[in-house]
Amino acid sequence: AQKVTQAQTEISVVEKEDVTLDCVYETRDTTYYLFWYKQPPSGELVFLIRRNSFDEQNEISGRYSWNFQKSTSSFNFTITASQVVDSAVYFCALSEGDSGNTPLVFGKGTRLSVIA
Amino acid sequence: NAGVTQTPKFQVLKTGQSMTLQCAQDMNHEYMSWYRQDPGMGLRLIHYSVGAGITDQGEVPNGYNVSRSTTEDFPLRLLSAAPSQTSVYFCASSYDGNEQFFGPGTRLTVL
Repeated sequence: AQKVTQAQTEISVVEKEDVTLDCVYETRDTTYYLFWYKQPPSGELVFLIRRNSFDEQNEISGRYSWNFQKSTSSFNFTITASQVVDSAVYFCALSEGDSGNTPLVFGKGTRLSVIA
Repeated sequence: NAGVTQTPKFQVLKTGQSMTLQCAQDMNHEYMSWYRQDPGMGLRLIHYSVGAGITDQGEVPNGYNVSRSTTEDFPLRLLSAAPSQTSVYFCASSYDGNEQFFGPGTRLTVL
């Protein structure tokens, strides 16, 4: 059965600190997709990244970076030089199969608070 | 494109009432789904559809019905609302799995 675990329920950092959000997943499929979504206080879900199981290259997008390690079944998300606008709930999600077009299984989310 | 739209944004029901949450997308996406979000629980899948005329159950389907008569619309029906169905409901759609587009959500309270 597929499962996503985000062990950190809440994290609080001071602005400009780096912060890493952990995501550990379980799946029996060899082909799957991993996602990160951001949910700001306004409530909408904002797509951040999609990564397939065959692509273990780390990804960097501005202050955001993702570290995918199949050996530890982890897909961690790092925000460098955090800002107050990064305050949100962040969800990691898993989709099994070779299209990524299947139901998402979400972790319970990590609430990040960035203090000025 | 309007993307994924959901109506209403807010709804209060009494126990036992029925209602339909509307979801529509104008991106010609085949895949649509409904999730509910409860505090500390993340998002859990209720029902999903891979195309018109095809629906399937997710993790928490009890108390909800869906149908998919067109590609654009995927309504979620609550047959007899219960307080346990108080939640925020999100509809999502996707074409090739690159990104699941989420609607703005419907906040439902059942008294």
